[in-house]
Amino acid sequence: AQSVTQLDSHVSVSEGTPVLLRCNYSSSYSPSLFWYVQHPNKGLQLLLKYTSAATLVKGINGFEAEFKKSETSFHLTKPSAHMSDAAEYFCVVSESSSASKIIFGSGTRLSIRP
Amino acid sequence: GAVVSQHPSWVICKSGTSVKIECRSLDFQATTMFWYRQFPKQSLMLMATSNEGSKATYEQGVEKDKFLINHASLTLSTLTVTSAHPEDSSFYICSARDLAGYLSSYEQYFGPGTRLTVT
Repeated sequence: AQSVTQLDSHVSVSEGTPVLLRCNYSSSYSPSLFWYVQHPNKGLQLLLKYTSAATLVKGINGFEAEFKKSETSFHLTKPSAHMSDAAEYFCVVSESSSASKIIFGSGTRLSIRP
Repeated sequence: GAVVSQHPSWVICKSGTSVKIECRSLDFQATTMFWYRQFPKQSLMLMATSNEGSKATYEQGVEKDKFLINHASLTLSTLTVTSAHPEDSSFYICSARDLAGYLSSYEQYFGPGTRLTVT
């Protein structure tokens, strides 16, 4: 069975400082992992994805994430936060061994202080 | 590429009426589409998996007679909320998997969502 845990429901950082959104997963098979962002009353936008290639994945808007199998983690980072980064972020896991459903984390709300 | 649209983007209906929401893959064929529901400040909850040409598979606790899903073609799935009630008010999001999904990263492409308000 697969599951995903986002360790923080809310993260607040100052503009220009680093962002760290934490995600741990559990999967019986080789997982595919994704980070999505959702702005208020909007759909989901894919930030980046890991699919068993390079463990350090670079995404859009300066975000990146590192797949660490030993820690079963896929934390999302950004060196310098921007006001427009304020949104809800979802970590998602999909098992690559079957064409089945994906599992969403509970989400982390990112707030940016001026 | 890989664009998914939903129509309408928002709808208000009266209690007891039915509402249909369309999900279309615009530039790819989707053998599988998924329907999610999202309550305010919460994560997405999978309601059902829709496979083209066959019956949808509903998650536990989701009433299949209330949330009718039809996936008649490789580019269109519809969700009909029957006899809607205020508690059905929510944000409904669909996603679609590319026809080549079995060999790819199992990425799902999400629609922009439909805000349903039942009065």
